[in-house]
Amino acid sequence: KNQVEQSPQSLIILEGKNCTLQCNYTVSPFSNLRWYKQDTGRGPVSLTIMTFSENTKSNGRYTATLDADTKQSSLHITASQLSDSASYICVVSAGNDMRFGAGTRLTVKP
Amino acid sequence: GAVVSQHPSWVICKSGTSVKIECRSLDFQATTMFWYRQFPKQSLMLMATSNEGSKATYEQGVEKDKFLINHASLTLSTLTVTSAHPEDSSFYICSAKKGGQPQHFGDGTRLSIL
Repeated sequence: KNQVEQSPQSLIILEGKNCTLQCNYTVSPFSNLRWYKQDTGRGPVSLTIMTFSENTKSNGRYTATLDADTKQSSLHITASQLSDSASYICVVSAGNDMRFGAGTRLTVKP
Repeated sequence: GAVVSQHPSWVICKSGTSVKIECRSLDFQATTMFWYRQFPKQSLMLMATSNEGSKATYEQGVEKDKFLINHASLTLSTLTVTSAHPEDSSFYICSAKKGGQPQHFGDGTRLSIL
């Protein structure tokens, strides 16, 4: 069983709408949690990184939250754009060990 | 920001041949480089971790004689898929980091074995 579970697996929204992606993890001990955006055929690009003491972190239209008690994180995308279509991957680190979620495939349609 | 370059970005070759993929850190010295494999609609799977000047550490189930890794300098690591077969077809991604800094990913190499 993967130690990082993401939901939904895929999501289709209309341009301009908001959406929220979820990440639940069991990785321990927790070091940090990152959200990456991976365009098709490209490598992942970091969006946010949060440590244990951080509850929220924003990067433009992307806002990540972290609840270390329930071991849950979310990535909220505001006013979606066509270029937001990509896979969003949650990565949780335990020391030097990184655990990858399977990602959420987001499609933004005009 | 830190840049990691992979080459080639896409390669097609016949079954039985060997393929070399390069990973370069362009603007920093990478003490550690990582190689991942990603199948369609799946997560990145770590294959091996390499530190400059030492042998790579392979994850369980990854054949070190099949996937040769050379980290000869602080800016270059290579992955050679030896005697490639169709089941080796995948998206291979490298990442690099300096010390305790975050990893930076390359743009991946699409490998197709006919």
